[in-house]
Amino acid sequence: GAGVSQSPRYKVAKRGQDVALRCDPISGHVSLFWYQQALGQGPEFLTYFQNEAQLDKSGLPSDRFFAERPEGSVSTLKIQRTQQEDSAVYLCASSLSDEAFFGQGTRLTVV
Amino acid sequence: QKEVEQNSGPLSVPEGAIASLNCTYSDRGSQSFFWYRQYSGKSPELIMSIYSNGDKEDGRFTAQLNKASQYVSLLIRDSQPSDSATYLCAVNMGARGSNYKLTFGKGTLLTVNP
Repeated sequence: GAGVSQSPRYKVAKRGQDVALRCDPISGHVSLFWYQQALGQGPEFLTYFQNEAQLDKSGLPSDRFFAERPEGSVSTLKIQRTQQEDSAVYLCASSLSDEAFFGQGTRLTVV
Repeated sequence: QKEVEQNSGPLSVPEGAIASLNCTYSDRGSQSFFWYRQYSGKSPELIMSIYSNGDKEDGRFTAQLNKASQYVSLLIRDSQPSDSATYLCAVNMGARGSNYKLTFGKGTLLTVNP
């Protein structure tokens, strides 16, 4: 595709519910990143894939957060037993070299 | 902890003026620097990248990098109301080409008044 595509754009989850957020990167981009952006803040790194390998997951806030990219293309960020503090915009970015390009994001609201 | 600092603003300039946005970073070994523009409710959009000391110009935008001072800036000439957005400074603290994660500042909100 022409850009990074994320779905859904908006997600409302009840506290305790599991959610799955999808990212379809730019075709050919080997690197994929997930970021979390709280209101009024810059994006915060969550995790990084190079092809199917998860090379860095140091930013995942708890073991409720899990990400995968099994075939080195589409990635899914899963959040189990959602909490109110998980409410944020989740951004996916892909990169071929130094420059990273972001998708539209998924706005998650936990009620 | 490796950090990127920006003045959160808001920075308000009249239409046609030069807007100057500043950023400092803590990791002296950083080699790749980026400016993203983020409109309210939208995702970050890459507008400039800079890797070497000095100035890099692209249209109305000029990025300036001073690695000795650990300082990077963005100048917007002939500011337009459509430039009103939050500008995010991002630093790749890995080696260039390493595809390392970006560390972002909190962003500076720019308002250009007609």
